[in-house]
Amino acid sequence: EPEVTQTPSHQVTQMGQEVILRCVPISNHLYFYWYRQILGQKVEFLVSFYNNEISEKSEIFDDQFSVERPDGSNFTLKIRSTKLEDSAMYFCASSDRETLYNEQFFGPGTRLTVL
Amino acid sequence: KNEVEQSPQNLTAQEGEFITINCSYSVGISALHWLQQHPGGGIVSLFMLSSGKKKHGRLIATINIQEKHSSLHITASHPRDSAVYICAVTWGAGSYQLTFGKGTKLSVIP
Repeated sequence: EPEVTQTPSHQVTQMGQEVILRCVPISNHLYFYWYRQILGQKVEFLVSFYNNEISEKSEIFDDQFSVERPDGSNFTLKIRSTKLEDSAMYFCASSDRETLYNEQFFGPGTRLTVL
Repeated sequence: KNEVEQSPQNLTAQEGEFITINCSYSVGISALHWLQQHPGGGIVSLFMLSSGKKKHGRLIATINIQEKHSSLHITASHPRDSAVYICAVTWGAGSYQLTFGKGTKLSVIP
């Protein structure tokens, strides 16, 4: 069964460093999402992406964040200068449509730890 | 601010019990999702519904649009059902991002 994959599973970085989180969405999906979950808190929307541009973004997704689909398979989230509060689990999701019935398929997550 | 509320936050049940988890939301939605988050963190979609009722195995999800309320039921609960169950909605009006509730942590004891 097709699935969304994410790498790495765990990333440890120093405050101020740049990190790139990688996702491979399901191959025929066209809509991509990043969510994050700070430990003990609810999952929060960061950004959605379609047709090589951002569709929606939340207040969390400030200038320190960027997304890219560098080739036909990968979807990346970059954090330019990490802060302690960026420590969280980051989930990538994809769907094949943006309609009323928008089932999103989630990857296993990347746990980011900022020291 | 549009909110999604779940209750209870934590639920402990004996194996075999019938379980109900509730979700309410503040304004009209286009769709409601029930998801399961495993102890390792992975998220799996269980149901997506905009009206009525859906059933999959021992899981049943219902939604009452007028009351802005949904329930997830688990019949004949089993220890392997232990997980966090999350309600999420899409608000519609061109927005397809998911807004999540805080989740209900379910522990089923043998």
